[in-house]
Amino acid sequence: GAGVSQSPRYKVAKRGQDVALRCDPISGHVSLFWYQQALGQGPEFLTYFQNEAQLDKSGLPSDRFFAERPEGSVSTLKIQRTQQEDSAVYLCASSSVNTNTGELFFGEGSRLTVL
Amino acid sequence: TQLLEQSPQFLSIQEGENLTVYCNSSSVFSSLQWYRQEPGEGPVLLVTVVTGGEVKKLKRLTFQFGDARKDSSLHITAAQPGDTGLYLCAGVSGSARQLTFGSGTQLTVLP
Repeated sequence: GAGVSQSPRYKVAKRGQDVALRCDPISGHVSLFWYQQALGQGPEFLTYFQNEAQLDKSGLPSDRFFAERPEGSVSTLKIQRTQQEDSAVYLCASSSVNTNTGELFFGEGSRLTVL
Repeated sequence: TQLLEQSPQFLSIQEGENLTVYCNSSSVFSSLQWYRQEPGEGPVLLVTVVTGGEVKKLKRLTFQFGDARKDSSLHITAAQPGDTGLYLCAGVSGSARQLTFGSGTQLTVLP
């Protein structure tokens, strides 16, 4: 497709399970971002990749969160030993430029519910 | 903690009314963007402002960037039900590489 694709759209996990969320950015986009969004709130930054390099992971809330983009295209956000407070929508965005003023193109998000 | 505070948090108005949404910060931003997000979708860019005092118009939407580049406003004239959504401002300050989003304004326009 032409846009950013995320999967799964919905994920229900039991507390303690590991989950993996996938992001397919727009082809050729250099920059990729992961954000976490609570209901009715603005997205909160998690991590940023430029090609395959993870340049900023300052927003990852704990060491249970891990992201990778090994070939500079598809990215995976992994959450280990999920907790209820991890319940949120996880948004992936990509940009064609490696600066911070370019337009971000967002996927529809992956809604994670931890029971 | 959001660096960008938006107000009001919720706004419900009748079709045809005008409204203004505010985005404020104590930080200076090199640029500021406004996005609109509908339920179940990701945010979609409306506009980018980069110069202090800049005003941009997009049909019935008017965006203004404060002279000091610390604040911005979005004014909608003659609101329509299709304007309903979560409006988000976002900017980059200092040496940060990523956009920081505001807390959002949930707008509902009733027919």
